[in-house]
Amino acid sequence: EADIYQTPRYLVIGTGKKITLECSQTMGHDKMYWYQQDPGMELHLIHYSYGVNSTEKGDLSSESTVSRIRTEHFPLTLESARPSHTSQYLCASSAVSGTGAYEQYFGPGTRLTVT
Amino acid sequence: DAKTTQPTSMDCAEGRAANLPCNHSTISGNEYVYWYRQIHSQGPQYIIHGLKNNETNEMASLIITEDRKSSTLILPHATLRDTAVYYCIVLKYNFNKFYFGSGTKLNVKP
Repeated sequence: EADIYQTPRYLVIGTGKKITLECSQTMGHDKMYWYQQDPGMELHLIHYSYGVNSTEKGDLSSESTVSRIRTEHFPLTLESARPSHTSQYLCASSAVSGTGAYEQYFGPGTRLTVT
Repeated sequence: DAKTTQPTSMDCAEGRAANLPCNHSTISGNEYVYWYRQIHSQGPQYIIHGLKNNETNEMASLIITEDRKSSTLILPHATLRDTAVYYCIVLKYNFNKFYFGSGTKLNVKP
């Protein structure tokens, strides 16, 4: 069982509010990721990080920002939430397993609704 | 990373083997084939990976063709809990990021 946590699990918030989705892992993984997924649709990578002070934008353009000040923590921030940001946000970290596989470990996700 | 092509959906009877195909005709020599699955709206879960040889673990078997242009994930005795979206991904050894694509929706029926 991977130790990667996301809070909150569910968030309903009004338009224009600033929100931060928290993600933390206790496995010491350098690589971390944020994905966005609408119900029944593909996972889209929106941000990733190779380590502390490293952040990159993913394949899907997003108005969110991320930071990586500590290895274990990779928060995602929306400065001004809009209804178009309504989605599920999944955080992940990755490492090489004992079998040599690059495995991604996912958190439980945050389901965001912007009204 | 090479692109993959998978059927949109497949049905399988409970207790029977589920064979999920994946085409990766542009795969290069240093790219691995990975399979993940996503049950409902949970985060994807690693299943198995391989380079050239067939692989088996407690969850599944992976058969890679000799030319490496396609592969098949085999769930030997599918259960209702195996109903999920299955993703075939091709990755270089020193990968930076995964591209999950649309995957195959496997429906295991009683």
